This record gives sequence, structure tokens and C-alpha cells, in this order.
Amino acid sequence: DAGVTQSPTHLIKTRGQQVTLRCSPKSGHDTVSWYQQALGQGPQFIFQYYEEEERQRGNFPDRFSGHQFPNYSSELNVNALLLGDSALYLCASSLGSNTEAFFGQGTRLTVV
Amino acid sequence: QKEVEQDPGPLSVPEGAIVSLNCTYSNSAFQYFMWYRQYSRKGPELLMYTYSSGNKEDGRFTAQVDKSSKYISLFIRDSQPSDSATYLCAMSSLGGSNYKLTFGKGTLLTVNP
Repeated sequence: DAGVTQSPTHLIKTRGQQVTLRCSPKSGHDTVSWYQQALGQGPQFIFQYYEEEERQRGNFPDRFSGHQFPNYSSELNVNALLLGDSALYLCASSLGSNTEAFFGQGTRLTVV
Repeated sequence: QKEVEQDPGPLSVPEGAIVSLNCTYSNSAFQYFMWYRQYSRKGPELLMYTYSSGNKEDGRFTAQVDKSSKYISLFIRDSQPSDSATYLCAMSSLGGSNYKLTFGKGTLLTVNP
């Protein structure tokens, strides 16, 4: 049973550029959440997608946007990258309203 | 005041010790409580998932929730070097339109052989 998979695993971008991260949820799950984890901190909620719509959003600027596809996979897009966007980006999947969430291995984004 | 407080440690114990990890929280609406283990540069792995107050045991791990004190704990018995990781507590209220998990900062645990 494939768990949550994310791509790429590592990424280096230049300030001002745009980036797209991808996530495939655990088999049988239909809900995808994205989190940002800075070094030495706990994950911070960015947003959650369910039925191809953003269901809830955390305290992140509009530069952060996302999408969910009919097969439940999801993308996270970040525009106009800042140095402070450097972090581990985590995707979590769950089923419906169930809060039992399973995480992928993350994408480590470095902005230089 | 942060919604979830967790002592970041670091915590260092000898192999075989009983480890106690704790979180406190301020939001009385939290009903679902989780513990995740995160190895360096990896994603968090779900260890325990509990609802409301009480204890839950899974092998060497026991999760305890005391909603009256807004305090949760994770106990690890017979700790092993492979338990060395950062342990994150997470909580959710799942009320209205809230689906997110709120995390503590994590406690770094080292189990020495």
C-alpha cells in the first residue's frame, strides 16, 4: 500500500521565482493538507483541499495557492519566493473529515 | 500564549529507560490528539491517535490525555536507540469548518546505547 508521496524531495530556487510541489495521497484518502515546517519548529497549516476545493486556509499570504485534481492528488504553488519560504513542505492525506492524517516525506525547499 | 506548548528538550536517556514526553494546550475545543515521530529530514510518522480523555496503549507506547488539565503525554517503555527522533504532539478540534492540526514545536529525544 503506497503511502503519501511527494515530489521533488529537494529543490533550490532563486528569490522571486515560482515553485510547484506535488503530492499523491495515501490510497483510499480523498483529502490533502499542506504544511510548512521551518527548522526547529512544528508544522504550520497552509491549507486543505477536499473535493477539488480549498476547504480551509491557514495564515499564509496569497502567494501560496493550491489545487486538487479529480484523482485526489494535489499541487502547492508558491509565487514570488522569499528567503523566508525556505522550509520543509509537508503533504498530509486523510479521509473526509477524519483528522487522522498521514504525512509524506516532504519537499525541502531552499530559496537563495 | 501559544495554543500548544511542548518542551523542545533536548532529552537524552540511556537505552531501556522509560521516556515521558508532554504537551499542554490552551484551546478547550481540542478533542483529537496525536503523537508523531519525525526522524531527521523525514516526514512525521503517526504513532498514536486518540479521541478525548483516557489512555491508549500500542506496544511500547502509551498515550495519555487529561482534558481537565489540558495536558497530554506519551510514554515510551524500554526505549531503544532507534527511538531517537523528534516527537511532535498535534491536536484538532474538528468543529464547524476547522480541519487543521495544530502542532507543538517537537521534543528531540536521544536514546544512548
